Amino acid sequence: AQSVTQLDSHVSVSEGTPVLLRCNYSSSYSPSLFWYVQHPNKGLQLLLKYTSAATLVKGINGFEAEFKKSETSFHLTKPSAHMSDAAEYFCVVSDTDMRFGAGTRLTVKP
Amino acid sequence: GAVVSQHPSWVICKSGTSVKIECRSLDFQATTMFWYRQFPKQSLMLMATSNEGSKATYEQGVEKDKFLINHASLTLSTLTVTSAHPEDSSFYICSATPPGGPYYEQYFGPGTRLTVT
Repeated sequence: AQSVTQLDSHVSVSEGTPVLLRCNYSSSYSPSLFWYVQHPNKGLQLLLKYTSAATLVKGINGFEAEFKKSETSFHLTKPSAHMSDAAEYFCVVSDTDMRFGAGTRLTVKP
Repeated sequence: GAVVSQHPSWVICKSGTSVKIECRSLDFQATTMFWYRQFPKQSLMLMATSNEGSKATYEQGVEKDKFLINHASLTLSTLTVTSAHPEDSSFYICSATPPGGPYYEQYFGPGTRLTVT
């Protein structure tokens, strides 16, 4: 069985400050892990993915995530938030199929 | 590349009627397509997986007679919500996997918002 927990339902940051969106997972196998972003009334866009290669994964728009097996975590970070980053972010774990976390809403204040 | 479209983007229908949602892979052939449902402020829940030319595999708790899925070609899958009721109102999202690609390589459509009155 696999599951994913996003530890924060809502994160608010000021523009220009760092972003941290937390994700923990459980999986019976070596999972693949993803972060997706969803803007209002839009489909999902893949930010980055981990598929058992380098543990530090760089994605689009300056985002990156680090796979930590010992902590079963895959937190998403960005050094400096931009207003356009405001959206819903989903952490996804996949071994036999894809399971989505509940989502974290990121708000960026001017 | 790897663009998936959905039509319509927004549909309102009356209770008891049926509505069809189309999912198309525009620049690749999709052997497998997935249908998800998303309630407001909630995550995506997988409804079913469809492979071209075969019957869809539904997740537990999803009524296959209510949510009819047809994957008749490598670029088109349809979801028909039959005898829709207000509780079927939701955001429906499809995704597609290119041939030979791993199942987790999914490209998502923009979604269809269904409102049943």
